[in-house]
Amino acid sequence: ETGVTQTPRHLVMGMTNKKSLKCEQHLGHNAMYWYKQSAKKPLELMFVYSLEERVENNSVPSRFSPECPNSSHLFLHLHTLQPEDSALYLCASSQDKGAGSDTQYFGPGTRLTVL
Amino acid sequence: GQNIDQPTEMTATEGAIVQINCTYQTSGFNGLFWYQQHAGEAPTFLSYNVLDGLEEKGRFSSFLSRSKGYSYLLLKELQMKDSASYLCAVRDSNYQLIWGAGTKLIIKP
Repeated sequence: ETGVTQTPRHLVMGMTNKKSLKCEQHLGHNAMYWYKQSAKKPLELMFVYSLEERVENNSVPSRFSPECPNSSHLFLHLHTLQPEDSALYLCASSQDKGAGSDTQYFGPGTRLTVL
Repeated sequence: GQNIDQPTEMTATEGAIVQINCTYQTSGFNGLFWYQQHAGEAPTFLSYNVLDGLEEKGRFSSFLSRSKGYSYLLLKELQMKDSASYLCAVRDSNYQLIWGAGTKLIIKP
């Protein structure tokens, strides 16, 4: 257990569905992250929130919409996804985004399949 | 562009030693991380190096040479549970984490 939980663990959705991924951290951290992990590719950073403000958005398509209602919770809202969006979506948190030694702690991920 | 290179897959024998290499070209350097990720699980933090040299933590050690843009993770007395992917990541001058694609380590009895 890393102190970061994600639900659901697995999700299958059609291209016209709307769904949301949830992440919760119990570590008292100030920063939270969404990553996409595809097979044999580096982790792709999608969004970063620091103290509940979105500080990075790495050219992610608008069909992905993040929400951070407080420093412990992070959501990723999904709509009209494409089959190429199928991947493992990882949430992470860290104490201080701006520090060199700042370590990110990951949740177990949501395995998303888009049909 | 920024780049992290690590071997895609390695195989080793239980009880042996294995070295997983990572080379990087990044805009600046503010530290290098190693993570372990078992299949279907969260990546978990193993080590952080910011100064040159070897850091030892039990059976795992991590080495850094900033002048060569090079790091390795050394795993001793391999156990079957060490079968996992090992991810190398470098923090650049903007404090962004740049990730490698990971090395899948297979341990055979």
